[in-house]
Amino acid sequence: EPEVTQTPSHQVTQMGQEVILRCVPISNHLYFYWYRQILGQKVEFLVSFYNNEISEKSEIFDDQFSVERPDGSNFTLKIRSTKLEDSAMYFCASSKQGNQGQPQHFGDGTRLSIL
Amino acid sequence: GQQLNQSPQSMFIQEGEDVSMNCTSSSIFNTWLWYKQDPGEGPVLLIALYKAGELTSNGRLTAQFGITRKDSFLNISASIPSDVGIYFCAGQLRPTSGSRLTFGEGTQLTVNP
Repeated sequence: EPEVTQTPSHQVTQMGQEVILRCVPISNHLYFYWYRQILGQKVEFLVSFYNNEISEKSEIFDDQFSVERPDGSNFTLKIRSTKLEDSAMYFCASSKQGNQGQPQHFGDGTRLSIL
Repeated sequence: GQQLNQSPQSMFIQEGEDVSMNCTSSSIFNTWLWYKQDPGEGPVLLIALYKAGELTSNGRLTAQFGITRKDSFLNISASIPSDVGIYFCAGQLRPTSGSRLTFGEGTQLTVNP
């Protein structure tokens, strides 16, 4: 069964450094998402992306965050100047296009540790 | 913002027992979904519900979309050890692709053999 793949599985970065998290969504999906989950907490929405632009973003997704679809298969999340509180699991998700809401399918996440 | 209240926070049951968990919201959602998360992995979709009152099954799992559109429950029958994990409800306000999911706090399920 097709799945969302994310790399790396674990990223350790010094505070203030830039980090790029990568995702390969399911191939026939057109909507892409990033969520994060701080240890022991619930999953929180960051941003959704369609047709090469942001569809919706949350209050967490401030100016230090950006997303990009650099080619036909990858979808990336960049954090420009990381802070300690950015430490979390970051999940990429994708869904099909449809008149009715299509379920979002998640990757296994990237654990981001900021030192 | 919108919040989902999920209960119970944790459950400890014996293998073979049935389990029920639920989510409530102060506002309406147009889609309800249930996900399971195993340690170190991402949420895996179990059941998606699109219509108020809808009752859907997936094997031993049954979920319902509340008639008020403000709640949903998930039942697991005849639990087995591999049911262990965290179960999350998620609501989607707009019934269109690209709309954010709002997650509940999760129910940690432990099944004793």
